[in-house]
Amino acid sequence: GAVVSQHPSWVICKSGTSVKIECRSLDFQATTMFWYRQFPKQSLMLMATSNEGSKATYEQGVEKDKFLINHASLTLSTLTVTSAHPEDSSFYICSARGTGGLSPLHFGNGTRLTVT
Amino acid sequence: KNQVEQSPQSLIILEGKNCTLQCNYTVSPFSNLRWYKQDTGRGPVSLTIMTFSENTKSNGRYTATLDADTKQSSLHITASQLSDSASYICVVSATGNQFYFGTGTSLTVIP
Repeated sequence: GAVVSQHPSWVICKSGTSVKIECRSLDFQATTMFWYRQFPKQSLMLMATSNEGSKATYEQGVEKDKFLINHASLTLSTLTVTSAHPEDSSFYICSARGTGGLSPLHFGNGTRLTVT
Repeated sequence: KNQVEQSPQSLIILEGKNCTLQCNYTVSPFSNLRWYKQDTGRGPVSLTIMTFSENTKSNGRYTATLDADTKQSSLHITASQLSDSASYICVVSATGNQFYFGTGTSLTVIP
């Protein structure tokens, strides 16, 4: 079945540095990918919708200059957390949707970001 | 306002027992409804997807129902196993790429 690979699965970085998270659709093309943030015991919170070849659409309250999204190809989207702070520590998950209205959302396994 | 509400928020059951999770939504225009299982520290995995015309869909021990008139869905788990312990998320899709997530039900199956 369709697989979405997310890398890295966990990362620890120092405050002020930037971290890049990759999301790849391995066996299908995804014109649209989604990035979420999840806090403990809470559901996924959509951060932005990533569109191949165009700018991402950010949800209200999400700083686009802090969370840089690039969707350079039909199989790769990246999320860069710039100038990370401890409050950015969270679980970040991407998803990709295949073609067709009923194609399910396929999720990556998430990236645990810890900013020290 | 498009919303998806799930109940209960958490549930503890004995291994081997059945349980039913609920999802009520106000999303319009409705496209489809999906149930996902999310293990701790992992990404969600699709269990079922149903369109407006489908009333029930099964995936092994998981059976989802949909009443599009009342805008309610349920996920029934039969003969629960310890590995069923997870968060179950209801996601309702409007037309286009809009997805609305429920807050999830945390299920714990105990021996």
